[in-house]
Amino acid sequence: DAGVTQSPTHLIKTRGQQVTLRCSPKSGHDTVSWYQQALGQGPQFIFQYYEEEERQRGNFPDRFSGHQFPNYSSELNVNALLLGDSALYLCASSYRRGANEQYFGPGTRLTVT
Amino acid sequence: KQEVTQIPAALSVPEGENLVLNCSFTDSAIYNLQWFRQDPGKGLTSLLLIQSSQREQTSGRLNASLDKSSGRSTLYIAASQPGDSATYLCAVQGSQGNLIFGKGTKLSVKP
Repeated sequence: DAGVTQSPTHLIKTRGQQVTLRCSPKSGHDTVSWYQQALGQGPQFIFQYYEEEERQRGNFPDRFSGHQFPNYSSELNVNALLLGDSALYLCASSYRRGANEQYFGPGTRLTVT
Repeated sequence: KQEVTQIPAALSVPEGENLVLNCSFTDSAIYNLQWFRQDPGKGLTSLLLIQSSQREQTSGRLNASLDKSSGRSTLYIAASQPGDSATYLCAVQGSQGNLIFGKGTKLSVKP
């Protein structure tokens, strides 16, 4: 039973560029949430996708956008990268929206120079 | 606005000790609380999930308790081992599903 997978593992981008991160949910899950974790901090909720729509959003600017595909996989896009966007980006999946247990992937480490 | 606080920020203990990690939250209207383990640079591994109607959950040497009315949870680790060294994160979940995390407790178990 495959768990949550994320790609790429590491990424280095230059300020002002755009980046796309990918996530495949755990088998049987249909909801994907994205989190940003800065060094030494707890993860911060970015947004959640269910039925190919953004259902809930945290306190992040419009530079952060996403997409969910019919197979439930998801992408996180960040435009006009800032140095402060350097972080570990975590994807979590769950079955249905709401207060259900979330399973996390290994994360993508993004470095903006 | 829900806020989650974890105390202490860091903890160093000798192998074999029993220890307690603390988590507090400001809004008692939660659906569940999860404890996670995170190794350096890695993703999160779920350790225990406590539903709001439950008082505690146990898994092996781990026991987590929840007192929703006072906004507190504790994670008890028995007979600590060097392999337990990691950062432990507490997160609460509301009806919408998003998790709100504390900053974590960094645990070091010395052989």
